[in-house]
This record gives sequence, structure tokens and C-alpha cells, in this order.
Amino acid sequence: AQTVTQSQPEMSVQEAETVTLSCTYDTSESDYYLFWYKQPPSRQMILVIRQEAYKQQNATENRFSVNFQKAAKSFSLKISDSQLGDAAMYFCAYRKNSGGSNYKLTFGKGTLLTVNP
Amino acid sequence: EAGVAQSPRYKIIEKRQSVAFWCNPISGHATLYWYQQILGQGPKLLIQFQNNGVVDDSQLPKDRFSAERLKGVDSTLKIQPAKLEDSAVYLCASSLDDPGPYNEQFFGPGTRLTVL
Repeated sequence: AQTVTQSQPEMSVQEAETVTLSCTYDTSESDYYLFWYKQPPSRQMILVIRQEAYKQQNATENRFSVNFQKAAKSFSLKISDSQLGDAAMYFCAYRKNSGGSNYKLTFGKGTLLTVNP
Repeated sequence: EAGVAQSPRYKIIEKRQSVAFWCNPISGHATLYWYQQILGQGPKLLIQFQNNGVVDDSQLPKDRFSAERLKGVDSTLKIQPAKLEDSAVYLCASSLDDPGPYNEQFFGPGTRLTVL
């Protein structure tokens, strides 16, 4: 079974600074996708960034980028120029590329990010 | 484009009572998911529907939980009877029927259930 581990229950960062959230995962599959989701107090999960395992290039979305290390099964999220609106719970998630219709996401326990003004 | 709708937003019941949650997915999304998010944990998939059919219900406690998706659109999740450990946020999500990485799951605001 696939597992996703987020070892940092809480992190804090000063506004405009950079912060990195860690995620490791365990799988025997070679083809899969990895995601970072943001969950603000409103509880609505929002996709931040995605990474395809067969792509070596790290994904970037504006101020958000990942460091994907496939051999180490590591997938960290870097937030640059942190803003107050970035404060939220962040979840790392895994989805196997089964080729079928099972699109189940497996989530980590999350990291609560606080942004200090 | 309207998002995923869920109701109610909050529900408080006593143990052994029954409760039902409703979800309306984004129009045109063939796939619908119910996740359970216990406090301090990430969401866990309970059931995935593809149109009317069930794709994965391996983690659904079938002795007390049931779910249906009528006509491949709206869905209801029921718990009967509820236990204290069912206290959680129940998230509904929907997506297109596409196995690729750009098939994004869109989440609703969730229903927070408290079982006393």
C-alpha cells in the first residue's frame, strides 16, 4: 500500500521569506503523480501544484515550486515570497497511474503553515 | 462555473443516530468521491463513483456507511448508526473521467460531523 509522510506538523515563515515543506512517500509503482493541496480554514481543498513521476523537471507554478527526488521518494514544496494568504494546512498527496478509472488520492497528515507579518 | 456543493455544512448528532450528507458535483463531472477527514489527519477516500457505478469502496465501513449516486449526478452518504469515531469532516470531490495527471479533483467545502 502507498503511504505519504509529512514530518513537519507545523511550520512558520515571515512574510516575503521562503519556506520549504517536506514530504516523503512509499510506493512500489514506477508511474504515479504527486500533488500539493492547500486547505484554508474554509476547509475547501485547493490544488497548488502537480508533478508527474516520469518527468525529471521539477514543476513550478508562480511562487510555488517542488523538489522531486524520485530515487529518494521525496517531494518537497517551496513557497517563495510568502504572503499572508498562504497561511493554511498543506497536504502532500499521491495518485497511482493505474491506467484505469481508480483516481484515489492518498494524503499525508498535513503541515500547518503560519505566515507572520 | 459553479463548484462542488455540499450540505449541510455542520451537523451534530448523538451516537446511534443516523445522518445523511448531500453532494452536487460540478456539471459534467463523471467521477465523484467521498473522503473522510478526521481531525489532525489527511483526507481518506471512502468511495469513488464513476457515473452510477462504484469504482472503489474498499475503505467504506459497509456495516454502517452507505452511499448512492442517483442518475450519475447528485450523491448522498449515510451513516447508520453513528459512532463517536465518525466525528470528522466529510469532503465531496468531483472530476472528469480522465486517468491523466491534469484530471483535477475539485473539492466541496465539506460537512463537519460531531457525534456526541
